[in-house]
Amino acid sequence: EAGVAQSPRYKIIEKRQSVAFWCNPISGHATLYWYQQILGQGPKLLIQFQNNGVVDDSQLPKDRFSAERLKGVDSTLKIQPAKLEDSAVYLCASSKRGTAEVTEAFFGQGTRLTVV
Amino acid sequence: AQKITQTQPGMFVQEKEAVTLDCTYDTSDPSYGLFWYKQPSSGEMIFLIYQGSYDQQNATEGRYSLNFQKARKSANLVISASQLGDSAMYFCAMRERASGSARQLTFGSGTQLTVLP
Repeated sequence: EAGVAQSPRYKIIEKRQSVAFWCNPISGHATLYWYQQILGQGPKLLIQFQNNGVVDDSQLPKDRFSAERLKGVDSTLKIQPAKLEDSAVYLCASSKRGTAEVTEAFFGQGTRLTVV
Repeated sequence: AQKITQTQPGMFVQEKEAVTLDCTYDTSDPSYGLFWYKQPSSGEMIFLIYQGSYDQQNATEGRYSLNFQKARKSANLVISASQLGDSAMYFCAMRERASGSARQLTFGSGTQLTVLP
């Protein structure tokens, strides 16, 4: 079974530029998460999708971050414009169901973003 | 208030010895799940073990076991017979019903474990 795929692995941009990350979850997984992990900290949830609908985006800085999950499969996370404090690893994860059962989330390898 | 608290930023253990990584949690959801993940320096998050709030017995997976004390709201990870490859960051996480029918997965700040030869 293929795991969660993310691209790119690394990205360096200047502040005020825009950037996009892509995630392909495990086939059949209805729930998709985007997490931001700043160096030395635990992952912080940015947005959670159930199929193609957003179920939680309370911690997403909506003035600069956006995310979509078209057709309930792949997802993209965009930052526009980027700030220095956005430097972090962006992790995508998926799980089978987000509502009825507690089940583990499977993570991709992440995208390491450096804003200079 | 912190949902997940890991009070040990760093831990050291001698190879082949056992080590306990602490985790306490806070939730009002009667149905929740507790997870431990390992994050090596390469960055990927590796699922280790899961404990459901209604599980009567402590979860075990190979050398990993979870010391679940529901009344104290603690879910400590015990690694037996530590190996050099166990050196990594360890995160405790909780899945709970946050709003409506959605279940959030919230992480602690992590414990950096170093296994000494």
